[in-house]
Amino acid sequence: EAGVTQSPTHLIKTRGQQATLRCSPISGHTSVYWYQQALGLGLQFLLWYDEGEERNRGNFPPRFSGRQFPNYSSELNVNALELEDSALYLCASSLGGDLGNQPQHFGDGTRLSIL
Amino acid sequence: SQKIEQNSEALNIQEGKTATLTCNYTNYSPAYLQWYRQDPGRGPVFLLLIRENEKEKRKERLKVTFDTTLKQSLFHITASQPADSATYLCALLSGGYNKLIFGAGTRLAVHP
Repeated sequence: EAGVTQSPTHLIKTRGQQATLRCSPISGHTSVYWYQQALGLGLQFLLWYDEGEERNRGNFPPRFSGRQFPNYSSELNVNALELEDSALYLCASSLGGDLGNQPQHFGDGTRLSIL
Repeated sequence: SQKIEQNSEALNIQEGKTATLTCNYTNYSPAYLQWYRQDPGRGPVFLLLIRENEKEKRKERLKVTFDTTLKQSLFHITASQPADSATYLCALLSGGYNKLIFGAGTRLAVHP
């Protein structure tokens, strides 16, 4: 079974630019989650999509947005990039249903570097 | 304020010993608690899930306990091996938050 795949692996941008990160969940999974992991810090919850709808959003500014497509893949968009957006962005997927009762399966992330 | 805390200092142990990692939480009432392993440059990998009405869960050399009175979960690796060296994350789901909340993780180093 193919795992969660994320692209690109690395992304280098400059301040003020826009970045698009992509995620393909495990086949059969309907929920997709996005997390930010800054160097040496824990995972910070960004967004949760399930069945194409945004179910929850973390404490991030509106320039962080995303969507989930009919095939359950997902995009994370970050506008007006700032230096502090440099981080590893992780995507995870799970079966739908009870949130805490489902393990989340993570991709290996996109390393976003802002120059 | 709400907190989920794991030992920020690395845990160094000798091969063959039991590693015990701690996850403490404050002002949450988790219905579920999960443990993940993360290797450098990789995404976390799910290990175990325990529910609030369960005291203990086991999987091979791994054991998790969940004490809702102490507001604490312990994660044990018995007969540890150098390959167990990684950062271990706990995560909880608490009512009203609609998201998994992760601790910062504890780095485990198992020495031959």
